[in-house]
Amino acid sequence: DFQLTQSPSSLSASVGDRVTLTCRASQYISTYLNWFQQKPGKAPKVLIYAASTLQSGVPSRFSGSGSGTDFSLTISSLQPEDFATYYCQQNYITPWTFGQGTKVE
Amino acid sequence: QMQLQESGPGLVKPSETLSLTCTVSGGSMSNYYWSWIRQPPGKGLEWIGYIFYRGSINYKPSLKSRVTISVDTSKNQFSLKLSSVTAADTAIYYCARDRPADGPGVPFDHWGQGTLVTVSS
Repeated sequence: DFQLTQSPSSLSASVGDRVTLTCRASQYISTYLNWFQQKPGKAPKVLIYAASTLQSGVPSRFSGSGSGTDFSLTISSLQPEDFATYYCQQNYITPWTFGQGTKVE
Repeated sequence: QMQLQESGPGLVKPSETLSLTCTVSGGSMSNYYWSWIRQPPGKGLEWIGYIFYRGSINYKPSLKSRVTISVDTSKNQFSLKLSSVTAADTAIYYCARDRPADGPGVPFDHWGQGTLVTVSS
């Protein structure tokens, strides 16, 4: 199975900070990489798909980049509602896999 | 507005079969893949498998011997069965719309709220 490794596992940040999360794939996955936000007790919500496409309705402070094996999610100015856990996920080849998550607190 | 809703027992005994159904409302199941994903309490997400509305299936290999996913498009439902469960199968189980069959699209854009299934005697 493809492995996705997210770093850091958690990070402490403040409102207004620029935050960058990274996701590294164990093998080439082109741009078949998606980012999800999950808040406690809620289902994940897709933020970015195909590595850099912003899902409709998601604030423009979220952006994604990368291709091949290295990807990143950037929040340009952290807002109170952004404190959550973020997961990357690949849909290049089955079985789909998720990273272990990065908790932003 | 499409909605997905999981239903099924919240408690299953060890060695028995976990059975869940996802009901899709506010839209058609046609031309999409539909997935089951689970999340052990306090842990990360694990994809279990998907089914196409016409019935083709793909399972996570490590679960394949115990998993069955089926679809009933007449009822706008798809289902999960996981046999021989153990405590390690205790998790929140989510159903989700995976991706469109006819080209690129937004993956996992609709999810159920999730249902906690506990495996315990």
